[in-house]
Amino acid sequence: RKEVEQDPGPFNVPEGATVAFNCTYSNSASQSFFWYRQDCRKEPKLLMSVYSSGNEDGRFTAQLNRASQYISLLIRDSKLSDSATYLCVVNMANDYKLSFGAGTTVTVRA
Amino acid sequence: GAVVSQHPSRVICKSGTSVKIECRSLDFQATTMFWYRQFPKKSLMLMATSNEGSKATYEQGVEKDKFLINHASLTLSTLTVTSAHPEDSSFYICSGLIAGGGPLEQFFGPGTRLTVL
Repeated sequence: RKEVEQDPGPFNVPEGATVAFNCTYSNSASQSFFWYRQDCRKEPKLLMSVYSSGNEDGRFTAQLNRASQYISLLIRDSKLSDSATYLCVVNMANDYKLSFGAGTTVTVRA
Repeated sequence: GAVVSQHPSRVICKSGTSVKIECRSLDFQATTMFWYRQFPKKSLMLMATSNEGSKATYEQGVEKDKFLINHASLTLSTLTVTSAHPEDSSFYICSGLIAGGGPLEQFFGPGTRLTVL
């Protein structure tokens, strides 16, 4: 079983729409959770951390459900520039290693 | 955020040759650097953890004699793919860890796309 699993998509949405997707992780000892964004043929860039109580950063909202071991990302009022692959990333306690999901591709169309 | 560079950004080589990829932290000292590999539509897979002045720690299934890592200074780590074969074609990405930082403090290089003919 993969450590981090994501729906690969693609999610094709019109500008202004809301899109949401989840990620599940297998290790209950996971400590830290992140969403990264990766554009085609580029390196991943941190989008936001995910906190236990859920958190928002502008149009992006992240939620964590420890009991069910999943993380979600919601994008409101989608922009063309939101088109990218979103990587779910998990970290274990006392370990700098990051475990990446394969990514969820979002395409926002005009 | 801190800046990490990689060189070259793209390399095409013949099967059997060796390729060296450099990863540099430009404005911070990285006691630890990580090397990842990403195949198309797949997740980044950690290959090894490189610590300055000591031997790298390889993940299970990664051949240390095939992927030589040297971390001779606090700002430079190199990955050498020895006797490259077409199945080694991939996107190789490094990241630098700021000393004392948590997992959030990993900064990624722009990646090196390796194509082995």
